Amino acid sequence: AQKVTQAQTEISVVEKEDVTLDCVYETRDTTYYLFWYKQPPSGELVFLIRRNSFDEQNEISGRYSWNFQKSTSSFNFTITASQVVDSAVYFCALSERSNYKLTFGKGTLLTVNP
Amino acid sequence: EAQVTQNPRYLITVTGKKLTVTCSQNMNHEYMSWYRQDPGLGLRQIYYSMNVEVTDKGDVPEGYKVSRKEKRNFPLILESPSPNQTSLYFCASSQPQGRLVLCEQYFGPGTRLTVT
Repeated sequence: AQKVTQAQTEISVVEKEDVTLDCVYETRDTTYYLFWYKQPPSGELVFLIRRNSFDEQNEISGRYSWNFQKSTSSFNFTITASQVVDSAVYFCALSERSNYKLTFGKGTLLTVNP
Repeated sequence: EAQVTQNPRYLITVTGKKLTVTCSQNMNHEYMSWYRQDPGLGLRQIYYSMNVEVTDKGDVPEGYKVSRKEKRNFPLILESPSPNQTSLYFCASSQPQGRLVLCEQYFGPGTRLTVT
């Protein structure tokens, strides 16, 4: 069964600090997909990134970067020089190719204080 | 504008009174799904649909029904709502790319349901 664990329930940082959100997953499939979504205080869900299991390249998008490591079944998300607007709940999610379910972690509430 | 719409956005109802939450997308997406979000539990998938007339259970389907008679609509039906179905509900859609079914999902704004 597929499972996603976000061990950090809440994180609080001061603006301009770097912060890493952890995501550990479990799957039996050799082909799977990992996602990160952001839910700001307004409540909508915003797609951030998708990573395929066969592509272990790390990705950088502005202040955001993602570190995918199959050896440790982790897909961590780093925000560099955090800003107050980064305050949100961040969800990691997993989908196996053998089914079409999407399993979310419980989310990490990030608070960036000025 | 590409979007997923849900109605109603807020609903307070009583135990046992059947209700339907509608979901519609204008992107001609094949895949649609319903999730519920509860504090401390994250988002959990209720049902999903690969295309018209093709639906399957997610992780928490008990107490819910869905139908997919048209590609754009995917209503969520609660035949006999109970207080434990009080939650925030999200509908989402996505368009498969080749063998990748779950690409970026577009989420609706959410429906906050309270069952008393």
